[in-house]
Amino acid sequence: DSGVTQTPKHLITATGQRVTLRCSPRSGDLSVYWYQQSLDQGLQFLIQYYNGEERAKGNILERFSAQQFPDLHSELNLSSLELGDSALYFCASSPGRQNQETQYFGPGTRLLVL
Amino acid sequence: GNSVTQMEGPVTLSEEAFLTINCTYTATGYPSLFWYVQYPGEGLQLLLKATKADDKGSNKGFEATYRKETTSFHLEKGSVQVSDSAVYFCQYSGTYKYIFGTGTRLKVLA
Repeated sequence: DSGVTQTPKHLITATGQRVTLRCSPRSGDLSVYWYQQSLDQGLQFLIQYYNGEERAKGNILERFSAQQFPDLHSELNLSSLELGDSALYFCASSPGRQNQETQYFGPGTRLLVL
Repeated sequence: GNSVTQMEGPVTLSEEAFLTINCTYTATGYPSLFWYVQYPGEGLQLLLKATKADDKGSNKGFEATYRKETTSFHLEKGSVQVSDSAVYFCQYSGTYKYIFGTGTRLKVLA
């Protein structure tokens, strides 16, 4: 158990809808990362937050957004969902004290868009 | 741009066989390199890491050496076990850049 929690475990929704995925980092970690894992694209970095502020952006679509709250939990919002957004979404956290830290991954949220 | 190339799987080995999973990268600057392992139905977990050239990371019998001259970080284990069956990911971590390889599925047969 990494100490990172993600909810929900599974999500089934329809095209055009909006969903919110939630992540609680390990106790004491200030950085949160979001990744998308799909069969065709592999594991893609989406976005990183550090202590409430956006720190780095990867291949995140404009339809997707994220935020990190004062209690350090993070939410990833996916809107206008398409079939191709079906994937496993992972959150990871790290202390945030330096660059290139080990990341601790949650169990993921499996999203199915029908 | 930066990238990570990992050998395609699946790799199927008999128990106690020698394992090598190749990983090469293209990079600017001085990245850290990681190997993560993913067991079925779980998130990724750190297997080992190296933060500078010539560093060797090791854990649970697995080893990888950060080779700047060949831009490689190949994963090796002298004697695999059935319990090592999983998907292995090589990761490049630069300044605000986090790039994973495609993953290599390893299946170890008893």
